[in-house]
Amino acid sequence: QKEVEQNSGPLSVPEGAIASLNCTYSDRGSQSFFWYRQYSGKSPELIMSIYSNGDKEDGRFTAQLNKASQYVSLLIRDSQPSDSATYLCAVENAGGTSYGKLTFGQGTILTVHP
Amino acid sequence: DTGVSQDPRHKITKRGQNVTFRCDPISEHNRLYWYRQTLGQGPEFLTYFQNEAQLEKSRLLSDRFSAERPKGSFSTLEIQRTEQGDSAMYLCASSPSLDEKLFFGSGTQLSVL
Repeated sequence: QKEVEQNSGPLSVPEGAIASLNCTYSDRGSQSFFWYRQYSGKSPELIMSIYSNGDKEDGRFTAQLNKASQYVSLLIRDSQPSDSATYLCAVENAGGTSYGKLTFGQGTILTVHP
Repeated sequence: DTGVSQDPRHKITKRGQNVTFRCDPISEHNRLYWYRQTLGQGPEFLTYFQNEAQLEKSRLLSDRFSAERPKGSFSTLEIQRTEQGDSAMYLCASSPSLDEKLFFGSGTQLSVL
């Protein structure tokens, strides 16, 4: 079992729709959770972080965390063609000297078509 | 703030050769990380530094790989006796101390022929 799992997609949604991206993780001790966006040929860019159960909203993006189910999701409202990219879920397992040691999923390819 | 800078952007080498990559982090960022990413996969942790100290190294990192961060500024990643399996994008990232958010550089794409 992979430590962080994502559906590789591709996920295709029409412009203006809600895109829903999902991620599960295996380590119950995980404390910090991140969503990165990566355009083709570019480096990952942080778009959301979430640390406690529930929802966190930032503009068109909402991250959801359920530690009991070991599940993280990202919702993108009013999807735009410019949102087409690979979305990477990343999990940080512990504090202290492991700050920044992230385990990434394989990424979900999102395509938003006009 | 000019972002994380990596050099070179692309490197093509023959199997068995040594290669070295450089990373300049965002100034004032104490923590520096190296990740490796292959096509269709997420980045994989290799190692990280706090200032000049290398605090953690992935067990996946063979002894052909070595990283340094002299004086706690830029970092170099060297791969000795390259193998075709080393072909990947090598990403450098930095973050401020006690902040988990990573800022990635553009990466060095290595191709081993």
